Amino acid sequence: DTGVSQDPRHKITKRGQNVTFRCDPISEHNRLYWYRQTLGQGPEFLTYFQNEAQLEKSRLLSDRFSAERPKGSFSTLEIQRTEQGDSAMYLCASSLARGEDYGYTFGSGTRLTVV
Amino acid sequence: AQSVSQHNHHVILSEAASLELGCNYSYGGTVNLFWYVQYPGQHLQLLLKYFSGDPLVKGIKGFEAEFIKSKFSFNLRKPSVQWSDTAEYFCAVTPWTNAGKSTFGDGTTLTVKP
Repeated sequence: DTGVSQDPRHKITKRGQNVTFRCDPISEHNRLYWYRQTLGQGPEFLTYFQNEAQLEKSRLLSDRFSAERPKGSFSTLEIQRTEQGDSAMYLCASSLARGEDYGYTFGSGTRLTVV
Repeated sequence: AQSVSQHNHHVILSEAASLELGCNYSYGGTVNLFWYVQYPGQHLQLLLKYFSGDPLVKGIKGFEAEFIKSKFSFNLRKPSVQWSDTAEYFCAVTPWTNAGKSTFGDGTTLTVKP
């Protein structure tokens, strides 16, 4: 297993366009998380899944953001009608739900630039 | 809602100096605590974690952290830093009542001069 994979690494899009990011977690991890990070800030929680169920979504997240995790494997994060304020690094992480291994394994992130 | 405060935004040390990075959290219940590190050009990696038991936890590369419950603190320490420790360090807290949601501090950039 090579860790958490995110695709694409970079995305430049025009304001108003839709974008979709993909995350492939560590195969035995049943939890998957999406975070957003801007310069000078720590990662900010967006949403997380346990298996295929989306258990929580940040109240800060507008309706333009949606995430899915069909079959409890990979996940996609879609942003509709992108705005310049959406420019950020989008991080995916995975973990086991409980136990001594609980701690995130992060992917390298997708850097979104909205122009 | 929980919050995490990292007091030092940028720390500059010479090699062999001792390191202590502060982390305080705000949450009324039981928490798990983490330190993550991001080396230049790399992704975030788990450095160490505290769940319960001994409040002094040891992580990779000689780092350790001490949980002081009365102070809501989880400071990161290393007795002697190396140039390769240059990185950004993030403290994170996860409440037991919502183990799916970690809150991160804004990070401390450590620069170690050779």
